[in-house]
Amino acid sequence: NAGVTQTPKFQVLKTGQSMTLQCAQDMNHEYMSWYRQDPGMGLRLIHYSVGAGITDQGEVPNGYNVSRSTTEDFPLRLLSAAPSQTSVYFCASSYSIGGELFFGEGSRLTVL
Amino acid sequence: TQLLEQSPQFLSIQEGENLTVYCNSSSVFSSLQWYRQEPGEGPVLLVTVVTGGEVKKLKRLTFQFGDARKDSSLHITAAQPGDTGLYLCAGDNAGNMLTFGGGTRLMVKP
Repeated sequence: NAGVTQTPKFQVLKTGQSMTLQCAQDMNHEYMSWYRQDPGMGLRLIHYSVGAGITDQGEVPNGYNVSRSTTEDFPLRLLSAAPSQTSVYFCASSYSIGGELFFGEGSRLTVL
Repeated sequence: TQLLEQSPQFLSIQEGENLTVYCNSSSVFSSLQWYRQEPGEGPVLLVTVVTGGEVKKLKRLTFQFGDARKDSSLHITAAQPGDTGLYLCAGDNAGNMLTFGGGTRLMVKP
């Protein structure tokens, strides 16, 4: 059972480039979310989805887009990367909106 | 602005010592979760506390939810090097996504 799978694990971008972080889960969870983790800041919610076709903004959504075409997949798109987006990104899924989160292993992004 | 404040931010102790980590808020939460994160991995749930005043034990870890459901603590007895990691609390504001605290980074030296 793979759980939540994120790719890539590491990525280096130049300012202005775009990219997509992939996330897939095989637990048939309706709720999926993206967080960024910065030192001393814990985990901050970027975007989340309560089901296929439904997404909403979290605490820090600017500069990121998401879509949810299937229950399994929830990609995060960086439209025009900025150094402030250097961070570790975690995708998570859950059975319920406030329930236990199952996290991927994270994607470390550096924007130069 | 973080709704959940964790203290201390960093803690370095010797094996065998006891420690307490705090998670405080001015908001009331339906429940509160504690996660542990090891380097290079995602956080993993340790426990969920739901009822005000609730105490849960997980081997040497004791979790308490405040009576008013605004705060929580994690106490580790006789810490071991395997307890090293980042401890995160997360609050559930009924119907909303979880809000995380800033984390407490614990290092237990042998």
